[in-house]
Amino acid sequence: DTAVSQTPKYLVTQMGNDKSIKCEQNLGHDTMYWYKQDSKKFLKIMFSYNNKELIINETVPNRFSPKSPDKAHLNLHINSLELGDSAVYFCASSSYSGRGFGEQYFGPGTRLTVT
Amino acid sequence: GDSVTQMEGPVTLSEEAFLTINCTYTATGYPSLFWYVQYPGEGLQLLLKATKADDKGSNKGFEATYRKETTSFHLEKGSVQVSDSAVYFCALSAVNAGGTSYGKLTFGQGTILTVHP
Repeated sequence: DTAVSQTPKYLVTQMGNDKSIKCEQNLGHDTMYWYKQDSKKFLKIMFSYNNKELIINETVPNRFSPKSPDKAHLNLHINSLELGDSAVYFCASSSYSGRGFGEQYFGPGTRLTVT
Repeated sequence: GDSVTQMEGPVTLSEEAFLTINCTYTATGYPSLFWYVQYPGEGLQLLLKATKADDKGSNKGFEATYRKETTSFHLEKGSVQVSDSAVYFCALSAVNAGGTSYGKLTFGQGTILTVHP
């Protein structure tokens, strides 16, 4: 069973388009994340939701809008795509307990290419 | 802000060689430290972790010790295999004085490891 899944795995689109990436986890976690990995493999957090509430919102252009319809899903919508948005986007999930946030489990990634 | 610095790669080794990948960090609070591994075409997997000073994390023959005095968390393996070829990421999660994590992982730049037969 896939723990954290993302769709699509590959996404090729043109500048100016709007696209969405979907993430689902079946681990029963209450916290989900989006990370961006650039061409040099550098990973940086973008957003995090806990129980459908936004808790981390890094310096990301407001063309990026996350949406969490429920605890098991976190989608990422990107408006007016730019060449610099080309990257691999990873979703992750974890549980929150009295000691804070636990280990993060990552999805397989979505490779976005903007032409 | 928090940051993690890893040794520059790529690292190329022969099978059964000794591996060290250096990692140092700066953080406010009391971070937990992690090593993640990314195999080609896959997502990240947690390799090992340490949550307090002098803790040693270990898994699959890899080890790393949390050194607060040198703010380091170097990854080591005594004898690498071809199947260890991957990208390795050092990461931290800041924790407050009460030991509660904030949930945000800060990654190093990644080190590409290639092991030849």
